[in-house]
Amino acid sequence: NAGVTQTPKFQVLKTGQSMTLQCAQDMNHEYMSWYRQDPGMGLRLIHYSVGAGITDQGEVPNGYNVSRSTTEDFPLRLLSAAPSQTSVYFCASSWTSGRAGELFFGEGSRLTVL
Amino acid sequence: EDQVTQSPEALRLQEGESSSLNCSYTVSGLRGLFWYRQDPGKGPEFLFTLYSAGEEKEKERLKATLTKKESFLHITAPKPEDSATYLCAVQAYQSGGSNYKLTFGKGTLLTVNP
Repeated sequence: NAGVTQTPKFQVLKTGQSMTLQCAQDMNHEYMSWYRQDPGMGLRLIHYSVGAGITDQGEVPNGYNVSRSTTEDFPLRLLSAAPSQTSVYFCASSWTSGRAGELFFGEGSRLTVL
Repeated sequence: EDQVTQSPEALRLQEGESSSLNCSYTVSGLRGLFWYRQDPGKGPEFLFTLYSAGEEKEKERLKATLTKKESFLHITAPKPEDSATYLCAVQAYQSGGSNYKLTFGKGTLLTVNP
């Protein structure tokens, strides 16, 4: 069982470039989310989805877009990268939105914006 | 605003030396409190959910407890493989909005020496 798969694991961007972080889960989970983790701070919710076709903003959504066309996939798009978006990004999923606290996390994507 | 404070920031134990990690929280209405373990370079791994004061959960050498203001993660006779960062998160009831946001603490880095 692959669980939650994130790609790429590492990425370096220049300011102003755009890119997409991919996330796929094979557990038929209804709820998916993106978090960022920065040194000295707790994980923070960027965007989440309670099912295919439904997305909403989290705590720190500015500069990011998401879509959920299938149950399995939940890509995160950086529209115009800024140094403040240098972080480790985690995709996480759970069985249902009612259990959104019991998350299965991917291994993370480390992004550096120069 | 929901707040989670974990202490200590770092804890070093000898193998077999039991101790506790603390998670103090402030929320308007607690929906759930969650403990995670995170190994270096990996995503967090879910450990426990606690819903109400007085509740306890156990898994191997770990036991989580909950009061109205804090949660403790007790580690009994730890082994070197218990070394990791332990994260605490709370989920609050939110009027008129989503109940999906988790507020994470900064974590406690536990090192168990053989």
